[in-house]
Order: sequence, then C-alpha cells, then structure tokens
Amino acid sequence: DGGITQSPKYLFRKEGQNVTLSCEQNLNHDAMYWYRQDPGQGLRLIYYSQIVNDFQKGDIAEGYSVSREKKESFPLTVTSAQKNPTAFYLCASSAGMNYGYTFGSGTRLTVV
Amino acid sequence: DQQVKQNSPSLSVQEGRISILNCDYTNSMFDYFLWYKKYPAEGPTFLISISSIKDKNEDGRFTVFLNKSAKHLSLHIVPSQPGDSAVYFCAAREGDFGNEKLTFGTGTRLTIIP
Repeated sequence: DGGITQSPKYLFRKEGQNVTLSCEQNLNHDAMYWYRQDPGQGLRLIYYSQIVNDFQKGDIAEGYSVSREKKESFPLTVTSAQKNPTAFYLCASSAGMNYGYTFGSGTRLTVV
Repeated sequence: DQQVKQNSPSLSVQEGRISILNCDYTNSMFDYFLWYKKYPAEGPTFLISISSIKDKNEDGRFTVFLNKSAKHLSLHIVPSQPGDSAVYFCAAREGDFGNEKLTFGTGTRLTIIP
C-alpha cells in the first residue's frame, strides 16, 4: 500500500543534541512538507520541498535543517539551536494541491 | 500573525444534529481551502476542499461554504456522528505552481455527544 512513513513514533533527546526525524513516501509525490504541532497553535510549516535537491524555509525554520536527496525521502534535523524542540512533528507529501496533502502519523519529540 | 484563524477551540454537538465549524482568513492571495480531520497521535486526513471560485462544495455529510467577501469559510457536518469527534483544521493555499504551501488554522476540537 502507498503511504508516508515517519519514524520513530516517539523520540527523546538530551539538550544540546541534534536529532534527525525520518520521513519516507512511496506515493511518487514531488512535494514534501514538515510541520510542527504545538497545543493551541495548530500546524506550523517548518520546511518544504517541491522537487529533489531543492527546499524552502517555512514560517519557523530556525533551528531546523532538511535535505532532499531522493524523491522518496525528506529527513528533518532538529539542531541544538532550536530552543523549544519538544513538539509533535508531522511530515506530509502532495501530488499537487488539488489533491490535498497526505500526512504521516507523526513523531513526538521530547527533550529531556 | 495568524493568517488562518479558527476562533472556537472546541465545540460540542448532540449526535444527529448539525456541526458547524468556522474559519476566517486574512490573506487575499489564498486561492484554495481545505479541511482536515485529526485524531490524537495521528496525522491529519483530508476531508473536503473548495476553490476560491466556488462558494459551496458538498461531499456526503460534509459541506464547505466559502464567503470570499467576508474571508470566511465553514464546514457543516450533518448528521453528526460519534466518529466525527476529532480536531478539525482548516487550511488555505497560496503560491504559484511549484511553490505552493498550506497555512493551517489552530484547530477546533469537535465532540459529538451520544
């Protein structure tokens, strides 16, 4: 079955450490997105990529980095520069906006 | 600066009645609007969408209305069912082809009372 997979589901990080969240899709979608969900703030866009080897900053890109070396993969690195990394992270992909986004099941990151 | 706003954080509706979820936006460049449904610890799932050139789109129990002059859209669910209990996000699209992105509202938690 086609879909979008995020791993791990839960992730714990010590302060000062970088951590990478995985996002893989087998839907043959060109566009991929990373969102962060915090209570009372909805989904906020971190980074997005419309094509391989190209990506753009979203509204809250500071402290994050991404790569898009393959169409299927869009990993997100949460760096030590991100001051409030504890959140629920959602990856999405799209075949074009009229089809909406397909979301992964999310990764909950907790800084300990 | 919240460009897409859902001013009701929560809503409770009796089973069988109509649920109306509201969304307001400020950016005139938005040209496409979508509603997503989200259960806890899961990713949102697409529900229904509407182009800015239309004022209504219907899909089964779900209808979305768009009032461009008021920059307001609403999602109607009728009749409401217990499985509709979830958080609903409205989202708005902007950008040219190849540079599109969605901006999401803060969500409304809908609870259907049996």
